[in-house]
Amino acid sequence: QKEVEQNSGPLSVPEGAIASLNCTYSDRGSQSFFWYRQYSGKSPELIMSIYSNGDKEDGRFTAQLNKASQYVSLLIRDSQPSDSATYLCAVIAGGTSYGKLTFGQGTILTVHP
Amino acid sequence: GAVVSQHPSRVICKSGTSVKIECRSLDFQATTMFWYRQFPKQSLMLMATSNEGSKATYEQGVEKDKFLINHASLTLSTLTVTSAHPEDSSFYICSAGDRGGQHFGDGTRLSIL
Repeated sequence: QKEVEQNSGPLSVPEGAIASLNCTYSDRGSQSFFWYRQYSGKSPELIMSIYSNGDKEDGRFTAQLNKASQYVSLLIRDSQPSDSATYLCAVIAGGTSYGKLTFGQGTILTVHP
Repeated sequence: GAVVSQHPSRVICKSGTSVKIECRSLDFQATTMFWYRQFPKQSLMLMATSNEGSKATYEQGVEKDKFLINHASLTLSTLTVTSAHPEDSSFYICSAGDRGGQHFGDGTRLSIL
């Protein structure tokens, strides 16, 4: 079993719809969770970080964390074509944001007009 | 937000050449930086953890004598790919963390002819 798994893509949604990206992790001791966006040929860009159970909202993005289920998700509301990218879920075991990231394999999102 | 600068952005060189890549944290100090490698259509794979003032920690399967890491100050880490060969061609990315999470440099695309 991979340490961090993301729902297999690619995911295609129409412009204006909600895109839902999911991620599960195997290390129950993990404390820090991140979503990165990576455009083709570019390095990852941090979108959201979440450390506590529940929802965290930032603009059109909402991260959801359920530690009991070892599940973290990212919702993108009012999806735009510019949101088309690969989304990477990343996890750090331990209690800081400074540690070693373990990435999922990524989910390719395409938002079509 | 936190900025990580990586240099150069692209290198094309002949087989057998050694290539140095620099990673700088511009507005914060980083006792730890990370070096990743990403092959086409794959996720990021951690190569090593760079520790200021001490030896780097390499992931399993990464040759420490081939990928030399130096972290001489709180804002600079360097990765030197020694005697590079075509199979070392990849996208190399560094990151450094603050309270908000890990922030990535823009990456270096290395092409060995």
